[in-house]
Amino acid sequence: EIVLTQSPGALSLSPGERATLSCRASQSVDSNHLGWYQQKPGQAPRLLIYGASNRATGIPDRFSGSGSGTDFTLTIRRLEPEDFAVYYCQQYVTSPLTFGPGTKVDI
Amino acid sequence: QVQLQESGPGLVKTSETLSLTCNVSAGSMRSYCWNWIRQSPEKGLEWIGYVCYSGNTNYNPSLKSRVTISIDTSKNQFSLKLSSVTAADTALYYCARWFEEWRAFDIWGQGTMVTVSS
Repeated sequence: EIVLTQSPGALSLSPGERATLSCRASQSVDSNHLGWYQQKPGQAPRLLIYGASNRATGIPDRFSGSGSGTDFTLTIRRLEPEDFAVYYCQQYVTSPLTFGPGTKVDI
Repeated sequence: QVQLQESGPGLVKTSETLSLTCNVSAGSMRSYCWNWIRQSPEKGLEWIGYVCYSGNTNYNPSLKSRVTISIDTSKNQFSLKLSSVTAADTALYYCARWFEEWRAFDIWGQGTMVTVSS
């Protein structure tokens, strides 16, 4: 099973600042198989990034993803008030599909 | 836009079988795989498994012995059965569509809370 570790666990920032979230895999992950999701309280996760660097439909360009191998990054260029949420990475190179534990971005 | 809606009992007794259904509206189930995912404070997001339109299934090995996911294309829905439940199965259960081209879950239901208690 591929274990995903996210850091930091929590990030306290202000609107307008840049957020950099890390996802590290226990073994190499084909970048095509790495996604990022945003979850707000009381809501289901929402797909932000697929294939490590591709924005899903309707996702603002302040969100960007990068990385390869075992290290991946989600960057939020200028935080908007609605971006304060929990962010998860996910892989499906091999079964079982796994998620990281999440990074909470709060004010 | 396709929408997913989970339904089923919110309370299940210990050792019994948890049964949930996900209704797929405003779209076809064809060419996709349909998943169950659960979320709890203890385990975070945990993938349970999927059933594809073809009927193929794949389950998380940690749950495989207790899980059955099936599809009813005539009703545009798919279902989860989890047997011999314990308190550890208490979670928010989501259904979600897997978009193979993106290798990601592009559509999620709102989730349904299931509590296991004696």
